[in-house]
Amino acid sequence: EAQVTQNPRYLITVTGKKLTVTCSQNMNHEYMSWYRQDPGLGLRQIYYSMNVEVTDKGDVPEGYKVSRKEKRNFPLILESPSPNQTSLYFCASSSYTYQGPNYLIAKNIQYFGAGTRLSVL
Amino acid sequence: DAKTTQPNSMESNEEEPVHLPCNHSTISGTDYIHWYRQLPSQGPEYVIHGLTSNVNNRMASLAIAEDRKSSTLILHRATLRDAAVYYCILRPLGGGANSKLTFGKGITLSVRP
Repeated sequence: EAQVTQNPRYLITVTGKKLTVTCSQNMNHEYMSWYRQDPGLGLRQIYYSMNVEVTDKGDVPEGYKVSRKEKRNFPLILESPSPNQTSLYFCASSSYTYQGPNYLIAKNIQYFGAGTRLSVL
Repeated sequence: DAKTTQPNSMESNEEEPVHLPCNHSTISGTDYIHWYRQLPSQGPEYVIHGLTSNVNNRMASLAIAEDRKSSTLILHRATLRDAAVYYCILRPLGGGANSKLTFGKGITLSVRP
């Protein structure tokens, strides 16, 4: 079954204590992404990765780090969490159709994980 | 980014068709129209997408206006499980940063038994 798996689903932590939210997909997708969802603000992209060792900032990257050492995994790292990072986080993945050395077309369907609800006290 | 406008909420009766509208008057020629939905306590889920022609799949149909300035997601027989927030999203052609989905507020669909 095609899946994007996030762990943990729920996390309560304190300001400044480093944490990692894991994301894993079993579809061999090149593209992976992290979003956060806040009331009244909708979903906003934090970081994305087009392939192994290729990552880039989304709209709200401050306070977050990511890594992509393996194709299936894309962890989200909060080095020093703060209360304004209390949010619902989603990981997503999709595949590309390779069109040439400088042009990629996403296959259009993104698969999302079930979400991680983070509270930073 | 081209913007979409959707009503805040809609109600439907179970087993009746539902038409969810979306306006996107500033759509460009290479923008795809995507619909995703988010069930309570779940991540967003792909529903359907199209460019110019109407599209059907097992979940829904997408009707696209001839001038592409609006579209309608059609659920042929609403079930209680279809109660969700439905997002209409324009997605430019291309990869990289263009793969980002820009979510608005969406339409909250309620389904009455």
